[in-house]
This record gives sequence, structure tokens and C-alpha cells, in this order.
Amino acid sequence: SQTIHQWPATLVQPVGSPLSLECTVEGTSNPNLYWYRQAAGRGLQLLFYSVGIGQISSEVPQNLSASRPQDRQFILSSKKLLLSDSGFYLCAWSTYSLGEYNEQFFGPGTRLTVL
Amino acid sequence: KQEVTQIPAALSVPEGENLVLNCSFTDSAIYNLQWFRQDPGKGLTSLLLIQSSQREQTSGRLNASLDKSSGRSTLYIAASQPGDSATYLCAVKVFNAGGTSYGKLTFGQGTILTVHP
Repeated sequence: SQTIHQWPATLVQPVGSPLSLECTVEGTSNPNLYWYRQAAGRGLQLLFYSVGIGQISSEVPQNLSASRPQDRQFILSSKKLLLSDSGFYLCAWSTYSLGEYNEQFFGPGTRLTVL
Repeated sequence: KQEVTQIPAALSVPEGENLVLNCSFTDSAIYNLQWFRQDPGKGLTSLLLIQSSQREQTSGRLNASLDKSSGRSTLYIAASQPGDSATYLCAVKVFNAGGTSYGKLTFGQGTILTVHP
């Protein structure tokens, strides 16, 4: 069966510090990978998606970047955190078959607080 | 731009009641619609996926319907239990500006459900 991991689970960082959040998927190959952010009162917002190694698309301009160094690894980074980067970050994956993007599954999330 | 709205924002019911959560979307050109459950501080758990060609899906006490032409979906929960208390999110899988899709989901704000004993 497929599983998705995120770490760390929680993180408290000062403004201006760097960030690296990691997401890995097990039990599937060549998944589509997604980073979402859930901020209080703002719902879930798609930040990045990736259809393959080294292929990253950004949905919104921001202080963050994403990378996919391996098929089942997705990393969210920042060089200098802002207060507005605080939120709950969720990684998700889905497969693509027969012309359809299938059910999307989410990881447990990382709670980031920037002080 | 696709917008997804969920009504009501919050719902409190006694145990045993049947209930309906509503989701509406502005653009009927969707691939599919997915209902999720989120417990406080946790990730999302997929409940039901309805393809654009389908009218409904069922899983246990849950039944989700889809009416693309009117831009609506409902999640029906039968015989609610305190363990059903959570936030329920509706999401549609959309096309991008080029007419293709990379599986991107647009979410509603969610309905916070409380089932009290």
C-alpha cells in the first residue's frame, strides 16, 4: 500500500531563517506531487506541483521554492522566512492513468510557525 | 477562475441524525470532485471521489452526489456519530488555462461538523 511521509511535524523558526520541508511517498512510482498551504481562515492553497523529477510548476508568486530530486521526494524550501509563511503545509500525491488524474492523497502535514 | 463554496460553514447536530453538507462550484468544466475529512491538526483523509461522468458514490454511511450542470455536490451522512466530528472539505479537480490539467484541486473553505452525544 502507498504511504506518504512529511517531516518535521512541527517547526518554529525565526524570521529570516532558511526552511526545508520534506515529503516522501512509498509504494508508488512516478506520482504527481503537490505542496499545499493551509493558513487560518484562508483554506487550502496549492503552492507547487510536479509531474516528474526536476519538473516544478508554481501556482502563486511567493517566498518559497520547491524541488524534486528523486521520483518520490518533494522538498519545499525558503532562503529567508517571512511571518506570512506561517501555516500548515500539506504534501499530496496522485497517479495519472488512462487520461485521468486520480484520487489525491495527503500527508500528515507540517505546522510551521515563524516568529 | 473556479470558486468552490461550502454551506453551512458550521453544523452541530445530535447523535443519530442524518445530515447533508453542500458544495457548489462556479465552473462546471471539472474532471472530478473529491470529499475529504480533516481532524484538528491533522492531514486530509479522502472520503469519496466522484468522476465527472458519475452522479454519485457511496462508502458506508456516506453518499456523495454530483450535478455538474448546476455546479453542486452534496455529502450525505447517515446516522451521524460523535466520531464523525471533523471539518469536511470539498475539492474539484480543474483544468489549467491551457485546457489541460495536472490534477490540481481547488478547495472550499470547509464545513465544521460537531456531532454531540
